[in-house]
Amino acid sequence: GQSLEQPSEVTAVEGAIVQINCTYQTSGFYGLSWYQQHDGGAPTFLSYNGLDGLEETGRFSSFLSRSDSYGYLLLQELQMKDSASYFCAVLHGSGNTGKLIFGQGTTLQVKP
Amino acid sequence: NAGVMQNPRHLVRRRGQEARLRCSPMKGHSHVYWYRQLPEEGLKFMVYLQKENIIDESGMPKERFSAEFPKEGPSILRIQQVVRGDSAAYFCASSPPSGPMRHFGQGTRLTVV
Repeated sequence: GQSLEQPSEVTAVEGAIVQINCTYQTSGFYGLSWYQQHDGGAPTFLSYNGLDGLEETGRFSSFLSRSDSYGYLLLQELQMKDSASYFCAVLHGSGNTGKLIFGQGTTLQVKP
Repeated sequence: NAGVMQNPRHLVRRRGQEARLRCSPMKGHSHVYWYRQLPEEGLKFMVYLQKENIIDESGMPKERFSAEFPKEGPSILRIQQVVRGDSAAYFCASSPPSGPMRHFGQGTRLTVV
């Protein structure tokens, strides 16, 4: 079977840093992606880790440890517009065009 | 370059009717993926298609659901004899021939009454 675990809710204040963890159990792991979704709208791609280590894209960073089956998304300098749901997703298969298996999502609430 | 286009955005069907959901991928994208999302839940993989081929349908219910991606035209997700449990948001995503990024459409909200 395949499963991903991430916290259901996280609350933080504007300007703060928040880390959203994701652990996974899956066969055929190829990489770990993160997506953001506002109010049930179109999920949007944030980052991808195919190798161990940290990937940085502006205020967002993502980390992967294959040996620990663990990753996280780090959001810095939080803004009100960052309030959304965040999903980790395992890229499954032998290449980067395989299916994505999503976690249940973490609802981030940013407070003033 | 237009994004992934899904239509209709909202669809209401009575129990027993058929629902057809359409997805036009981004220009140059040859891979299409369909997902279903219930409120407050994650996206559940349904099917992965390339032009004229179903690559992975491991998430598709065995009955009433089918998908196609013809040589010309959009990808279609078809649900026959809909039941109330089919009510959900259905998202389509596309990707180019290589690369991990998926571009999602705005989804179709199906309501079965």
